[in-house]
Formats: sequence, C-alpha cells, structure tokens
Amino acid sequence: QSALTQPASVSGSPGQSITISCTGTSSDVGGYNYVSWYQQHPGKAPKLMIYDVSKWPSGVSNRFSGSKSGNTASLTISGLQAEDEADYYCSSYTSSSTYVFGTGTKVTVL
Amino acid sequence: EVQLVQSGAEVKKPGESLKISCKASGYSFTRYWIGWVRQMPGKGLEWMGIIYPGDSDTRYRPSFQGQVTISADKSLNTAYLQWSSLKASDTAMYYCACTIVGATAWDYWGQGTQVSVSS
Repeated sequence: QSALTQPASVSGSPGQSITISCTGTSSDVGGYNYVSWYQQHPGKAPKLMIYDVSKWPSGVSNRFSGSKSGNTASLTISGLQAEDEADYYCSSYTSSSTYVFGTGTKVTVL
Repeated sequence: EVQLVQSGAEVKKPGESLKISCKASGYSFTRYWIGWVRQMPGKGLEWMGIIYPGDSDTRYRPSFQGQVTISADKSLNTAYLQWSSLKASDTAMYYCACTIVGATAWDYWGQGTQVSVSS
C-alpha cells in the first residue's frame, strides 16, 4: 500500500483560496467516504480539520472544506490566513481495514 | 475532557527493546479505536496500526507488521507500542490518536513521544 499522492507545496496570498488534492485508488479514497484531513504546525501534533470527506469537527473553521471525486479528494482553504501556514495531510480508510496517509503538502501564505 | 498523554522521550541503543505508552482519559477507552503514527525526522505521517481496546482487535500496516507490537490494557486505559529490537531507522516521533467524533476520524492526539536510537 503506497501513500496517497499530494502536491509537495501550495501557496497563496492572504484572502485567496487554495486547493490541495489527494489521489489514491479504488482501494482507499475511491472506495470509501472515509477521507480525513489533518493540519500540522511545526513541532506540534496533527489536528483534525475535515472527516468523512466533508464534515467539520467541532471548533474547526468553515473556511476549510472537503470534497471527493472518484479516487481524488480535495481540501479547499478559503480566505487564506497567516495561521493556515502549515503542513496538511489527507488520510483514508483502506480495503485492508487500516489507514493510509498522503505524502503531505506544505502550505505557504505569501 | 478527552486527553491522550504519552510517555516521555527515550534514548536507546540498537538492539534494545522499548515500550512506549499512551494513557487515555475523559472517554470510554474500550469503545473507540486507538492508532499509532510514525513521523521520521523531516518526513510525513505514517500509519503504523490500530487497536480496538474493547476486544484487542489489532491491525497493522503491512510495512510495520512483525516490526512492532501494539497492545492495550483496559484496566489502565493505556495503549502501548513496543519494539523487541530497535534499529537506528526507528528514530522518529510517535503519536497516538483516537477516534471519537467519527468512526474513522482521528480527532484526539497525544503530544508525541520522541524515540532516538543511536550507538
């Protein structure tokens, strides 16, 4: 099982919207609506931002939104803010009854 | 308040054994999955495996099968990750996490345990 594929980096100016893709296979992303997204600031534990493709955990800004089409899931950050600068990882449940992370995307706010 | 508190940093030599812990509080420990995640220096997150403390059902990612052992002690509300013979390549930060809000959403995380293996 390989890691899900994400772009290494995405950047945007404050106030803009950016989208991070997460590509897997029919054995993970495409097979289940169990994609979640995590934000990780340097030296910190990951934080859940989106689960079950498009649901928000309590306390997470609705500037973050998720979607999925086929084997690719996406995270969109609207109204980009300086505090959004971090690493982002997607994760999916798999046909092996385990989970797999994406390769990770570094978001830079210009 | 849900909390996962992990044991402290470890410095070990190759070939030594190690068991790190993740103590849960604030929720019903036996009802939710706990997972372990590795993050090697400067690298991404990797799922290692998960355990359901209620019945100790354990599932490993293929690359970690046979390399580590995941266990849980219901009486102590604690999950464990252990190695029988450490390698230098096991040097990493290890996180535990649990699913509460959704069955497949890892919404609470421990603070991480740094494991350093060097001769």
